[in-house]
Amino acid sequence: EVQLLESGGGLVQPGGSLRLSCAASGFTFSNYAMNWVRQAPGKGLEWVSTISGSDGRTYYADSVKGRFTISRDNSKNTVFLQMNSLRAEDSAVYYCAKLLSTLPGYDYWGQGTLVTVSS
Amino acid sequence: QSVLTQPPSVSAAPGQKVIISCSGSNSNIGNNYVSWYQQLPGTAPKLLIYDNNKRPSGIPDRFSGSKSGTSATLGITGLQTGDEADYYCGTWDTSLSAVLFGGGTKLTVL
Repeated sequence: EVQLLESGGGLVQPGGSLRLSCAASGFTFSNYAMNWVRQAPGKGLEWVSTISGSDGRTYYADSVKGRFTISRDNSKNTVFLQMNSLRAEDSAVYYCAKLLSTLPGYDYWGQGTLVTVSS
Repeated sequence: QSVLTQPPSVSAAPGQKVIISCSGSNSNIGNNYVSWYQQLPGTAPKLLIYDNNKRPSGIPDRFSGSKSGTSATLGITGLQTGDEADYYCGTWDTSLSAVLFGGGTKLTVL
């Protein structure tokens, strides 16, 4: 059974940093691109970042480029999202998602972790 | 304002059919695959359709997807009260080098 378990969310002040983690199980992790998608309260889905499976190519939304860094540790089946210079508009539930084939066909999602940026 | 345009809401009676549209441009829908998601309140999105018209295992054939030019549609037949949810389309935008999602459509089963 595929499972994605996010952690690391919480309350942070504007300008602060957080590191999200997503522990994966139930599939060959290194074979699949992994993604972060966020959803602000009461709003729609917003893609944040993608990292490919084997060669680690990364892609970012313009709204987070230069502030967020996605990475993965295939030996630990974990994907990370380092978030720096956080802003109020980054407040959202952050979902980790596994890519099935072509973007954005995400077949498995985690339960989400809430990030709140507020003073 | 989303680059992909969906109607904010649609409604239909139980047992009926509904179609949800998603309109884009040549840089996104016109030249890339479209996916569709269902999101029930308080839960993570669920993949219904990928690669325009493919269903993941476990998704009933009441759900169907199609694409023509720069628009895509999600069809749901035999509506059930459990289908009440928010539905999102998504695709890659070649010009933006970004994944785009539509603004979402709230389905009400009357």
